[in-house]
Amino acid sequence: DAGVTQSPTHLIKTRGQQVTLRCSPISGHKSVSWYQQVLGQGPQFIFQYYEKEERGRGNFPDRFSARQFPNYSSELNVNALLLGDSALYLCATQESPGETQYFGPGTRLLVL
Amino acid sequence: AQRVTQPEKLLSVFKGAPVELKCNYSYSGSPELFWYVQYSRQRLQLLLRHISRESIKGFTADLNKGETSFHLKKPFAQEEDSAMYYCALSGTNAGKSTFGDGTTLTVKP
Repeated sequence: DAGVTQSPTHLIKTRGQQVTLRCSPISGHKSVSWYQQVLGQGPQFIFQYYEKEERGRGNFPDRFSARQFPNYSSELNVNALLLGDSALYLCATQESPGETQYFGPGTRLLVL
Repeated sequence: AQRVTQPEKLLSVFKGAPVELKCNYSYSGSPELFWYVQYSRQRLQLLLRHISRESIKGFTADLNKGETSFHLKKPFAQEEDSAMYYCALSGTNAGKSTFGDGTTLTVKP
């Protein structure tokens, strides 16, 4: 197993555009969480999905949305991008909530 | 509200010296506390969690509910311990995880 994978690895967008980030979990993991990590800060929780349902949401605007598919992979969508959305976006997966989180390598988003 | 504070951005010790990375938290219920580590050019990974009461790579951490702290300790630091360390908290529903801003540990030869 390659572990948690994320795509793309890097992305450059301009203000106002929309972006979709993808995460594939470790086989058998049914929970996916998304985090935003701004340079110099710790990861900040955006969403958690378990069994295709939203289980938790952090303090992010409605421009951020996510979903989980039947194969437990997940997408994070961000609309109307702002400069402040530039960050590393991390995905972490678990067998179920409360179990050990395994992180992906992240997608680095730059908004110009 | 959940909050995790790591007061030291940078910590430098010599090889063989004891090391303590501080973590304080605020949470109204019974939290679960974690330490994560990120070595250079590697992804973030779990180091230890308080419910396991394990010692991983010589590191231990004790949850002190009175002082709301979960400090990470190692009696004899090694150069390979140089990394970024994050303290994190998860609430009772095991949903939202809150991370501190991390401490960069450098162990000098």
